[in-house]
Amino acid sequence: GENVEQHPSTLSVQEGDSAVIKCTYSDSASNYFPWYKQELGKRPQLIIDIRSNVGEKKDQRIAVTLNKTAKHFSLHITETQPEDSAVYFCAASPSGTGNQFYFGTGTSLTVIP
Amino acid sequence: NAGVTQTPKFQVLKTGQSMTLQCAQDMNHNSMYWYRQDPGMGLRLIYYSASEGTTDKGEVPNGYNVSRLNKREFSLRLESAAPSQTSVYFCASIRETYGTQYFGPGTRLLVL
Repeated sequence: GENVEQHPSTLSVQEGDSAVIKCTYSDSASNYFPWYKQELGKRPQLIIDIRSNVGEKKDQRIAVTLNKTAKHFSLHITETQPEDSAVYFCAASPSGTGNQFYFGTGTSLTVIP
Repeated sequence: NAGVTQTPKFQVLKTGQSMTLQCAQDMNHNSMYWYRQDPGMGLRLIYYSASEGTTDKGEVPNGYNVSRLNKREFSLRLESAAPSQTSVYFCASIRETYGTQYFGPGTRLLVL
């Protein structure tokens, strides 16, 4: 099955700086890559996603890039704010698996005011 | 529109006891999922149901069974609970491929 690795496991940045979280995947059949944000004690929520036919996608301060050849994708958060502090998860979904998702182990982001 | 709901919110079991975790969605979604979340392990798929009437094993199915009762409801059963099943369990659903996956609020399970 698919194997998704996520780095770093923890990340601290000063407010206003950028944060980058990276994920790699192993199954070349994966074609959908969502990112989730989970605040303490809450449920994961989708923040952005990208399909394999696109190299980059932006939504205000958040962007995701995908390199299919290298099998890695990254989350970029610019102008970080304290409310961005949370755990972020990447995931990959291989085609033909009935919408099965494989998650990374998460990155705990702390934005220091 | 309640989204994805789960019951119970919290449960304590003794080793060997059984229980069923309930999940329901009111968004007319086709696919439903059960995950467990453990510290440092991310979300791991236990079972999923791509559509009503079908269920498939995920990464960590041992010790669990599921039932897709109808399009709305997907239950997870622990037949003989073990301390290793102490975790937070999330149910989720999506309408279609590439659709947004919505999660329930989670069930915190402690097995003594």
